[in-house]
Amino acid sequence: SQKIEQNSEALNIQEGKTATLTCNYTNYSPAYLQWYRQDPGRGPVFLLLIRENEKEKRKERLKVTFDTTLKQSLFHITASQPADSATYLCAPTTGFQKLVFGTGTRLLVSP
Amino acid sequence: DTGVSQDPRHKITKRGQNVTFRCDPISEHNRLYWYRQTLGQGPEFLTYFQNEAQLEKSRLLSDRFSAERPKGSFSTLEIQRTEQGDSAMYLCASSPAGTGPEAFFGQGTRLTVV
Repeated sequence: SQKIEQNSEALNIQEGKTATLTCNYTNYSPAYLQWYRQDPGRGPVFLLLIRENEKEKRKERLKVTFDTTLKQSLFHITASQPADSATYLCAPTTGFQKLVFGTGTRLLVSP
Repeated sequence: DTGVSQDPRHKITKRGQNVTFRCDPISEHNRLYWYRQTLGQGPEFLTYFQNEAQLEKSRLLSDRFSAERPKGSFSTLEIQRTEQGDSAMYLCASSPAGTGPEAFFGQGTRLTVV
């Protein structure tokens, strides 16, 4: 069955550093990989989508890579700020019918 | 349009009672999803509608759960004979036709069964 792994331990970094979050998946081949941000008590917010034929995608301070050989995506936030503190969810997706999410990684950026 | 709207935001109910949640998607989004999320977990897929047709249901959606989307607009999720294990955040999301799989989520309904 599909399995998605994100680091369940919180990632603590200092303001201004680059945060790197990992998403590993097994037993399927997603056509897309999405990243969402979720704040406590709120619904997830879509951040970025990368397609299987794309190696890297950027949006402002965010960068996502997608390695279909390693079955892994890396999510980077450069020049991190305390406002970036949240839980980040990855969703390797095969189609449009549903999203399957990882458990999420909590990011804490301290001033 | 301010996004996906869910009502109520919070619901406390006694075990055995029925509850119904409503989701209003972004206008003209023909795809609508329901998810359930418990503490420390990612959202788990429950069901998917394209317009008014319910195209997929998770095995998590037991006989006590039913979802509808009459006329392809708003959707309701009903849980009958609630159990303590139903306590969770219920999230609704929608997506427009002809685009990628990215979904736009509402703020969720927090259900507590006592």
